[in-house]
Amino acid sequence: DAGVTQSPTHLIKTRGQHVTLRCSPISGHKSVSWYQQVLGQGPQFIFQYYEKEERGRGNFPDRFSARQFPNYSSELNVNALLLGDSALYLCATSRQGEETQYFGPGTRLLVL
Amino acid sequence: DAKTTQPPSMDCAEGRAANLPCNHSTISGNEYVYWYRQIHSQGPQYIIHGLKNNETNEMASLIITEDRKSSTLILPHATLRDTAVYYCIVRVDGNNRLAFGKGNQVVVIP
Repeated sequence: DAGVTQSPTHLIKTRGQHVTLRCSPISGHKSVSWYQQVLGQGPQFIFQYYEKEERGRGNFPDRFSARQFPNYSSELNVNALLLGDSALYLCATSRQGEETQYFGPGTRLLVL
Repeated sequence: DAKTTQPPSMDCAEGRAANLPCNHSTISGNEYVYWYRQIHSQGPQYIIHGLKNNETNEMASLIITEDRKSSTLILPHATLRDTAVYYCIVRVDGNNRLAFGKGNQVVVIP
């Protein structure tokens, strides 16, 4: 089976712009979580979606939003980008909402 | 969620067993111990998890003390490809968010 896939792999944006990141889960996985990892730190939880509903939200501003589609893929949207949003954005999926999560390779976002 | 404490870094000899410690003295009865590792610029890779009993899989063994206040991840025969940041995480049953710390930078030396 294919693992978790994310697109794009790299992205460069300027301050104030908007970005959409995409995640496709492992086949059979219905839960998707998003994490932000800035340089030198561990990943920080942003959102969890299960069965297309938000099940958890980390300490991130409203500029961050996400959604999950009927095929369980997910998008993470970030509006009004700031320099501090530069990070590796990771998607993790699991079969159900409370099982072992498997991570994708991430999308590296650079905001100039 | 319970916090974990890991050494910031350690070196291991190639071919030898690598023992990675983790303290989680405030762990609750419904919290699992999870281990992930992250090789530079890649997504974290799941290694193993456990609740009370010791666990073993093709990658590693997890030894949890009887009081559950600490655990050790054992890589039986470390290779250069095991060089990575290793994260010990406790996860509450029913809560799917993983609270990563800074992890333990493990370097396997030839």
